Amino acid sequence: AQTVTQSQPEMSVQEAETVTLSCTYDTSESDYYLFWYKQPPSRQMILVIRQEAYKQQNATENRFSVNFQKAAKSFSLKISDSQLGDAAMYFCAYRSWRYNNNDMRFGAGTRLTVKP
Amino acid sequence: KAGVTQTPRYLIKTRGQQVTLSCSPISGHRSVSWYQQTPGQGLQFLFEYFSETQRNKGNFPGRFSGRQFSNSRSEMNVSTLELGDSALYLCASTADGSYEQYFGPGTRLTVT
Repeated sequence: AQTVTQSQPEMSVQEAETVTLSCTYDTSESDYYLFWYKQPPSRQMILVIRQEAYKQQNATENRFSVNFQKAAKSFSLKISDSQLGDAAMYFCAYRSWRYNNNDMRFGAGTRLTVKP
Repeated sequence: KAGVTQTPRYLIKTRGQQVTLSCSPISGHRSVSWYQQTPGQGLQFLFEYFSETQRNKGNFPGRFSGRQFSNSRSEMNVSTLELGDSALYLCASTADGSYEQYFGPGTRLTVT
């Protein structure tokens, strides 16, 4: 079974600075998808960024980028120029390559605080 | 397009009662997945419905059930509620051939 581990329960960053959230996963599959979701106090889960395992290039979405290390099974999220609105819970998630399986596995989450 | 909607947003029930939660996916999405989120267990997959059929199931007791209608709207039901069922229940929809899930705002269930 696939498992996702986020070893940082809480992180803090100064506004305008850069922060990196860590995520590791365990799987026997060679192809899969990885995601970072943001959950603000409103509880709405928002997709931040996605990465296909078959792609070597790291995904980037504006201020958000990932460092995907397939061999190490590591998938970290870097937030540049942090803003107050980035404060939220961040969840790393894994999805199998199987098209008919939308069972996503989530890490325990990292609570990010942004200091003004 | 309108996003995923869930009703009701908040619910308070008593132990032993049953509850039904509703989820309307994004228009055109036929897959609906349900998740339970608690402080202790985190986000756990309940089940997935696709084209009115349960396609995948997580490790939850039979008290948790669901169904999907022809318009892709889905409901989940929890019977004989227990205190431990208090949680945020999230549903997510996925477009055919896609792997991205889009979440609704959730239903906060409190069991007293």
